[in-house]
Amino acid sequence: NAGVTQTPKFRVLKTGQSMTLLCAQDMNHEYMYWYRQDPGMGLRLIHYSVGEGTTAKGEVPDGYNVSRLKKQNFLLGLESAAPSQTSVYFCASSTWGPGELFFGEGSRLTVL
Amino acid sequence: GENVEQHPSTLSVQEGDSAVIKCTYSDSASNYFPWYKQELGKRPQLIIDIRSNVGEKKDQRIAVTLNKTAKHFSLHITETQPEDSAVYFCGSRAGAGKSTFGDGTTLTVKP
Repeated sequence: NAGVTQTPKFRVLKTGQSMTLLCAQDMNHEYMYWYRQDPGMGLRLIHYSVGEGTTAKGEVPDGYNVSRLKKQNFLLGLESAAPSQTSVYFCASSTWGPGELFFGEGSRLTVL
Repeated sequence: GENVEQHPSTLSVQEGDSAVIKCTYSDSASNYFPWYKQELGKRPQLIIDIRSNVGEKKDQRIAVTLNKTAKHFSLHITETQPEDSAVYFCGSRAGAGKSTFGDGTTLTVKP
């Protein structure tokens, strides 16, 4: 099992460009999440999904969109990147109910 | 929404000493409290968790205590070793969906 896989792992964008981060999990988990991690600010939830075809806003959703067309995939989109979106992005998945989050390796995004 | 506060932000101990990290939460509906360890450049990984119907849980050198009345929980690491050096995050979760995390504690264990 690969677990949770994120692509790409590194990306440099110019202000105003768009991109999509892909998260794939092979554990048949219902829940999937996108977090961003900035120095000294922990993990902040951007968007999450409790099942195929569903999405919901987290703490910091502005400037991001998500889609979960297939149960195993959760896409995070930036329509017009800003320098404030420079961060490390982590995808995670979990089973239904309280339990462990399984994280991907992270994607480091730099917006110039 | 849920608010999780974590203290201290940095902690330095001598090898062999104990380390304690404390977290408070705001949502009385929270019922699951995990602790994650993140080594430099790596992903967060679960080290121990506790559910709201339990007051304490131990796993070798690591223990977590929960006080639901006061809405706080703590991570205790005994006999610390250099490989315990990392960033530790506490979290809380209320039912289905999102988990909220503290800002992290950077633990340094000096040989």
